[in-house]
Amino acid sequence: GAVVSQHPSWVICKSGTSVKIECRSLDFQATTMFWYRQFPKQSLMLMATSNEGSKATYEQGVEKDKFLINHASLTLSTLTVTSAHPEDSSFYICSASGTDNSPLHFGNGTRLTVT
Amino acid sequence: RKEVEQDPGPFNVPEGATVAFNCTYSNSASQSFFWYRQDCRKEPKLLMSVYSSGNEDGRFTAQLNRASQYISLLIRDSKLSDSATYLCAPPGGSARQLTFGSGTQLTVLP
Repeated sequence: GAVVSQHPSWVICKSGTSVKIECRSLDFQATTMFWYRQFPKQSLMLMATSNEGSKATYEQGVEKDKFLINHASLTLSTLTVTSAHPEDSSFYICSASGTDNSPLHFGNGTRLTVT
Repeated sequence: RKEVEQDPGPFNVPEGATVAFNCTYSNSASQSFFWYRQDCRKEPKLLMSVYSSGNEDGRFTAQLNRASQYISLLIRDSKLSDSATYLCAPPGGSARQLTFGSGTQLTVLP
């Protein structure tokens, strides 16, 4: 069964609204979770590293004020896309691992469409 | 240099063929790797783990070559359902340095 749960699986929203995506580790604690974005026919790109109890680390070119990350517990990280625009439409995926030597487990992804 | 690099392909092979992909890696201290499979419009799913002795699971064989610093995935008797993008990755702890490449795209043709 899934060890990382992501919700919602898909969302359609209007331009200017905010969307929150949740990522939960189901049977392990994750001090670190990762958020990715994937545009059609492109590679999976790391957006940010979510650190429990501290600020997220963002990759170059990713706006931290637009993509708000909160990792308030060892099993939950949230990504909020603020003031979404059509160009934010993409497939957002989170991942986590229990230990440094464990494989990454991915959430089922969230397909965001901004109209 | 990226921590892990893959040949993006695409690899188009007939059903029943044997196909192999490689990933090269730069961190010589890496002890293990993982192969993931990503279907179109889906999240990556763990396919196999690769440790020093390699790993075999049915038609799939994964090897870790420390001397040459590459990981390989061999698929025998390929099926149409094997068509996907295959990603290799180090353990989760070092994912901070990893940006997944495009992976290796495989299409098995009837």
